[in-house]
Order: sequence, then structure tokens, then C-alpha cells
Amino acid sequence: NFVLTQPHSVSESPGKTVTLSCTRISGTIGSNYVLWYQQRPGSSPTNVIYEDNQRPSGVPDRFSGSIDRSSNSAYLTISGLKTEDEADYYCQSYDSNSLLVFGGGTRLTVL
Amino acid sequence: QVYLVESGGGVVQPGRSLRLSCAASGFSFRNYAMHWVRQAPGKGLEWVALTSYDGSNKFYADSVKGRFTISRDNSKNILYLQMVSLRAEDTAVYYCASPGGRRYLNYWGQGTLVTVSS
Repeated sequence: NFVLTQPHSVSESPGKTVTLSCTRISGTIGSNYVLWYQQRPGSSPTNVIYEDNQRPSGVPDRFSGSIDRSSNSAYLTISGLKTEDEADYYCQSYDSNSLLVFGGGTRLTVL
Repeated sequence: QVYLVESGGGVVQPGRSLRLSCAASGFSFRNYAMHWVRQAPGKGLEWVALTSYDGSNKFYADSVKGRFTISRDNSKNILYLQMVSLRAEDTAVYYCASPGGRRYLNYWGQGTLVTVSS
């Protein structure tokens, strides 16, 4: 199986742009879709990106996803940061049996 | 409005058993796969188990295989997670979740806390 590695924490100021990384250890990042979930304190997760770069309806276009095969990583970019974006962000992909694998999560602080 | 309401959590001694339930409403429960995902206190998300829409196919994380059983009752719109031989490391909030026709986990419950402690 493989592991998805995320930085523990990132902080950025309101109005700025932040990029969160998710690096696949073992295997190729492009071999399975990557999704991103946002989890605000005390709440259940919600999806913000699926199939590498697709946004569910209702997710603002300030959120975008990408993958980079050269770094074997996926990225979630949030532009025009708002205080409401402060949350934990988890990447997720699928193993060879199409079962879910989550990254360890990144705590985004907007201050 | 879609609701997934978990219940059955609580404090249990190591080695004992517990059954979680997830009552679904507001969507066609019988048509969609269902997952259990857990989150240890202060930790990240961990996928636990998956059942197909009709219960004919079930999959488990290695950490729970042989100890947890996922099942569903489509006549009652309820998902279950039977947990036996519980360990301290099973302590977590357990969420039920479903894609509900989307290509991601679209519906999540509020979670139920399981604490394994003597």
C-alpha cells in the first residue's frame, strides 16, 4: 500500500494565497484520483476537490486542485484566503483495490 | 434534507464488543455504497470499512480486518458496524459516510465517539 504525506500545519494571512501539498510515497500520484476534504473544528468533513481538480457545486472557485507528476504530489490552492477557510484539510486517494487512503491532514491557520 | 445519524458509541473495556448504527434519511440509501471512517482524538481521518449498495461486497482496512463487520439493512435504511475485540487504538469518533451518487463522500454523519478504556 502507499502513504499520503501532508505538512502538519500551514499559516497564511487573509487575502493571500496558500498551497497545501500531499505527497504520495510509493506509487504514482497520477495513477488514482486525489480528493481534498475540509474539516472545520467540531464539524464533519466536506469535500472541496474531487478527481484531482473538480469542485463540487457550492465550493467557491478560490479552491483549486492540481497534481504534479514530477514531485509525485497533489496540491490544494486556496486564493483570497478568508478566516472561514481556517480548518484541517485532508487529501485522499485510492489504493489498487479502489479503497480509500487519507493523508494525515494539514491544519491551515489564517491570521 | 439528507441525514446520517450515528449512534451506539460509548465507553467499553478492551476486548469487549460494540455495535454502531447509522440511520439514513433524505436520499436513496439502498442505491449507494456506505463507508465508515474514524478519527482518533486530535488525529486525522482513517477509512475503516465499505459496503456495496446491496451488502454483497465488503471491504476493510487492515487495522480492523477480522474484528469489525460492516452490514446494512436496506429495509430500515440503517448501516451497522459490529466491533469485537476492541483495543485502545480503536478509540475514535466513527463517521458513516456515502457518496450518494457523487464521486466523493458527499454525505457524512456527525459521528459517534467510541472510547476503549479499562
